[in-house]
Amino acid sequence: EVVMTQSPATLSVSPGERATLSCRASQSVSSNLAWYQQKPGQAPRRLIYDASTRATGTPARFSGSGSGTEFTLTISSLQSEDVAVYYCQQYNNWPPYTFGQGTKLEIK
Amino acid sequence: EVQLLESGGDLVQPGGSLRLSCAASGFPFSNYVMNWVRQAPGKGLEWVAVIGATGGATYYADSVKGRFTISRDNSENTLHLQLNSLRAGDTALYYCAKEGTYIGHAFDIWGQGTMVTVSS
Repeated sequence: EVVMTQSPATLSVSPGERATLSCRASQSVSSNLAWYQQKPGQAPRRLIYDASTRATGTPARFSGSGSGTEFTLTISSLQSEDVAVYYCQQYNNWPPYTFGQGTKLEIK
Repeated sequence: EVQLLESGGDLVQPGGSLRLSCAASGFPFSNYVMNWVRQAPGKGLEWVAVIGATGGATYYADSVKGRFTISRDNSENTLHLQLNSLRAGDTALYYCAKEGTYIGHAFDIWGQGTMVTVSS
């Protein structure tokens, strides 16, 4: 099973500043990685897939990068509506699909 | 509009059974792989099971293998999850999620979830 490790667990960023979230896989997952955003009381929403492709409706301030075992989700200019928990997921080595434990993004 | 609507969640005693359903609309259901993902209260996401577009391929998380069964009725555009031998650790919000046309894609559409509580 591929273990996905996200860091940090909680991130506080000022409005307008850059937020950088990390995800590490225990073995290579190529570019088969997605990022999801989950706001309080809501279902997860796909933001990024194939490591760097923005899903329809994902604002341009969100970008994904990386391949193999190291991945990054960057929010270039944090907005108040970006407060959420962010999860990475690998879909390269299955079953099982595996998620990271999540990074909680807060406004400073 | 593409939509997934789960139902069937309930309070059930340990050892009991439950059947969850997910009604799909707005896309050709029979063409797509479908999944169940759960989230325990205050916790992260855990993948549970996947079923291929025709229903011929199914895979499960080790934590539910032998107790849960995923199935689909393409004539009714509905996904199911049969939960047997339920344990307290199965308490969670259960989401259905749409994938691609074959297994090995990100989940592009999620339902709002149905709550399963296992308690005496």
